[in-house]
Amino acid sequence: DSGVTQTPKHLITATGQRVTLRCSPRSGDLSVYWYQQSLDQGLQFLIQYYNGEERAKGNILERFSAQQFPDLHSELNLSSLELGDSALYFCASSEGGREEQFFGPGTRLTVL
Amino acid sequence: LAKTTQPISMDSYEGQEVNITCSHNNIATNDYITWYQQFPSQGPRFIIQGYKTKVTNEVASLFIPADRKSSTLSLPRVSLSDTAVYYCLVGGGTGRRALTFGSGTRLQVQP
Repeated sequence: DSGVTQTPKHLITATGQRVTLRCSPRSGDLSVYWYQQSLDQGLQFLIQYYNGEERAKGNILERFSAQQFPDLHSELNLSSLELGDSALYFCASSEGGREEQFFGPGTRLTVL
Repeated sequence: LAKTTQPISMDSYEGQEVNITCSHNNIATNDYITWYQQFPSQGPRFIIQGYKTKVTNEVASLFIPADRKSSTLSLPRVSLSDTAVYYCLVGGGTGRRALTFGSGTRLQVQP
């Protein structure tokens, strides 16, 4: 158990819909990262937050947005969903910005 | 954005040493190199991190040449439980550079 929690574990929705994925970092960690892993694909970095502020941005679509709240939990919002958005979405946390990251168990999103 | 390249797959036998190389030609001055292990349907797990030269911990060693354009993860005496996908990650230094995972190397350890 990494100490990072993600909810929900599974999510099934339809094209065009909007969903919110939630992540609670390990106690004391200030950085939260979001990654997308499509079926049999590698890990794509989406975005990083540090203590409530956006720190780095990767290949995140405009339809996707994220935020980190004052209690340090984070949410990833995916809108106008397409079939290709079906993937495992991982959240990770670290103390600061470059230490080892601790990954959550992931949220499996299926868009039908 | 750092671009990383890894072999798609490798095979080994129990008890052998395995070396997995990651190429990252356009690594930035402040970028760190980190390696993760991933089992199916699980989140990646940290193995080792380095900036330059050699780093060793209880499970692996990481070799980084002076130009830092590649790195090699060394797993001594692998066992069946080391069968997994291994990823290198470049980034994490100061600034707002995106992090880049390699495409992953699937290691199959045979008895």
